[in-house]
Amino acid sequence: GAVVSQHPSRVICKSGTSVKIECRSLDFQATTMFWYRQFPKQSLMLMATSNEGSKATYEQGVEKDKFLINHASLTLSTLTVTSAHPEDSSFYICSAPGQGDTEAFFGQGTRLTVV
Amino acid sequence: GDSVTQMEGPVTLSEEACLTINCTYTATGYPSLFWYVQYPGEGLQLLLKATKADDKGSNKGFEATYRKETTSFHLEKGSVQVSDSAVYFCALSDRRTGGFKTIFGAGTRLFVKA
Repeated sequence: GAVVSQHPSRVICKSGTSVKIECRSLDFQATTMFWYRQFPKQSLMLMATSNEGSKATYEQGVEKDKFLINHASLTLSTLTVTSAHPEDSSFYICSAPGQGDTEAFFGQGTRLTVV
Repeated sequence: GDSVTQMEGPVTLSEEACLTINCTYTATGYPSLFWYVQYPGEGLQLLLKATKADDKGSNKGFEATYRKETTSFHLEKGSVQVSDSAVYFCALSDRRTGGFKTIFGAGTRLFVKA
């Protein structure tokens, strides 16, 4: 089946630094990818829709300048958390829709800890 | 907008007990429905899905039936195992009205005791 690979799986960074998370569709092309955030013991909240060749669409309340999204190719989307703060610590997960189906395929997730 | 409501947890069961996790949805169109499972420290895995009314999704002993009349997609398993301990998310996706966005319920944490 379709595979979405997300890297890194875990990252610890210092406050004020930026962290880049990659999401790749390994055996299919994805013109659209989605980025979610999951707070401890809570559900996944959609942050933004990443569109290949155009700007990302952000959900209400998500800071565009804080969470930079770049969809550089049909198989790669990146999320950069800029000037990270401890409150940005969370589980981030990406997804990409499969061909001809409503099912989305999820990456393994990235646990970000900002110290 | 579309939404998913599922029963709050945590749910604690003994091994071999029956499991039901309730899920209801609100949608303007005709969504596909999913159950995802998240094991501790891991990402999401698709457990089962149903794409139209009266479809039954099943996998690993889990089942859920798409009930349009009650807008429900309850997850059931006849005999749970310790290895089933995880968080279960009910979700919907409607390609026609919502693109490929997936809308999740709050998640239900299941603990199975030996």
